[in-house]
Amino acid sequence: GAGVSQSPSNKVTEKGKDVELRCDPISGHTALYWYRQSLGQGLEFLIYFQGNSAPDKSGLPSDRFSAERTGGSVSTLTIQRTQQEDSAVYLCASSLDGGLETQYFGPGTRLLVL
Amino acid sequence: AQTVTQSQPEMSVQEAETVTLSCTYDTSESNYYLFWYKQPPSRQMILVIRQEAYKQQNATENRFSVNFQKAAKSFSLKISDSQLGDTAMYFCAFTGPYNFNKFYFGSGTKLNVKP
Repeated sequence: GAGVSQSPSNKVTEKGKDVELRCDPISGHTALYWYRQSLGQGLEFLIYFQGNSAPDKSGLPSDRFSAERTGGSVSTLTIQRTQQEDSAVYLCASSLDGGLETQYFGPGTRLLVL
Repeated sequence: AQTVTQSQPEMSVQEAETVTLSCTYDTSESNYYLFWYKQPPSRQMILVIRQEAYKQQNATENRFSVNFQKAAKSFSLKISDSQLGDTAMYFCAFTGPYNFNKFYFGSGTKLNVKP
């Protein structure tokens, strides 16, 4: 079956603009994660969705970052008033049921804020 | 807070040889899980191997094995018979014990397998 997909692959925006990044998880996976990978750094946890439960937003770096997951499937990560330090690769992952289930990652969206 | 440290930014190995990637972590807990993920140039992260802290036996997956030293908080990855397809970034990760949905990753080691 299809893996996790993300769009766009690359995004260039100007400082101060809003951006939306999309993630399509594997069908049937109830858990969805967003991570940020800055240049030369490991993955930084941003947010976690599990079914209909309230998301774990503890990794969001500021209130400019928000995410939604509609219908328990597709998720959108929104960054408002982008800053240059937001430039990074944003990775999405899904797993069958969260916890220690294997996470399957998408190819990421590379965001460049000019 | 849990921290994961990978002190080798980049390593090289000849095809068919063995290489070991290092990882140390810091936690005061006793029940947790450790992982090695591979990120090839395609950027798609792939789980390589995982280790449960309460298991003394080191995990193995084909050519990949770990050396888990709990007292030293060390979790190294050994790749035997290296192949060109092993060229990638390798990330060590930690989760647990109270929240298995939150993963902490190291900064990665870039492995180059040379023909």
